[in-house]
Amino acid sequence: EIVMTQSPATLSVFPGERATLSCRASQSIRTKLAWYQQRPGQAPRLLIYSASTRAAGIPARFSGSGSGTEFTLTISSLQSEDFAIYYCQQYNNWPPLTFGGGTKVEIK
Amino acid sequence: EVQLLESGGGLVQPGGSLRLSCEASGFTFSTSGMTWVRQAPGKGLEWVSSIDDNPGRTYYADSVKGRFTISRDNSKNTLYLQMDSLRAEDTALYFCARGKWANELWGRGTLVTVSS
Repeated sequence: EIVMTQSPATLSVFPGERATLSCRASQSIRTKLAWYQQRPGQAPRLLIYSASTRAAGIPARFSGSGSGTEFTLTISSLQSEDFAIYYCQQYNNWPPLTFGGGTKVEIK
Repeated sequence: EVQLLESGGGLVQPGGSLRLSCEASGFTFSTSGMTWVRQAPGKGLEWVSSIDDNPGRTYYADSVKGRFTISRDNSKNTLYLQMDSLRAEDTALYFCARGKWANELWGRGTLVTVSS
């Protein structure tokens, strides 16, 4: 099973600032990585797939990068609606599909 | 409207059974792989099970293998999750999602509580 580790667990950021979230895989997953956003009380929302491709309707301030075992989600200028929990998911070696533990982005 | 609507959750005793349903609309369900993901209260996301579009090969997390059964009825545009031998640790909000990974469409979830 591939273990996905996200850091930090919590990220405190001022609105308008840049946020950088990390996701590490326990072995290479090439670029088979997705990022999701989950706001309180809502279902997850797909942001990024194939490590760097934005999903339909996702603003350009969200970008993904990385390959192999190290991945990054960057939010260039945080808006109020971006304060949420973010999860990464690998789909290179499955089953099982595995998620990271999440990074909570909170207002500083 | 493109959407997924889960139902069937509720309170059940340990060892009991429930069947969850997920009704799809607004897209071609029969050509879509489908997935169940759960989220225990205050916890992260956990993949539970997926099913191919056709002929419907199935996949399970080890934590539910042998107890849960995923299935689909393409004539009814509906995905199912039969959950047997339920345990306290199965308590969670269960989401269905379109696709087997990188899921771009999710339902709102249905809550399953396993407690005596």
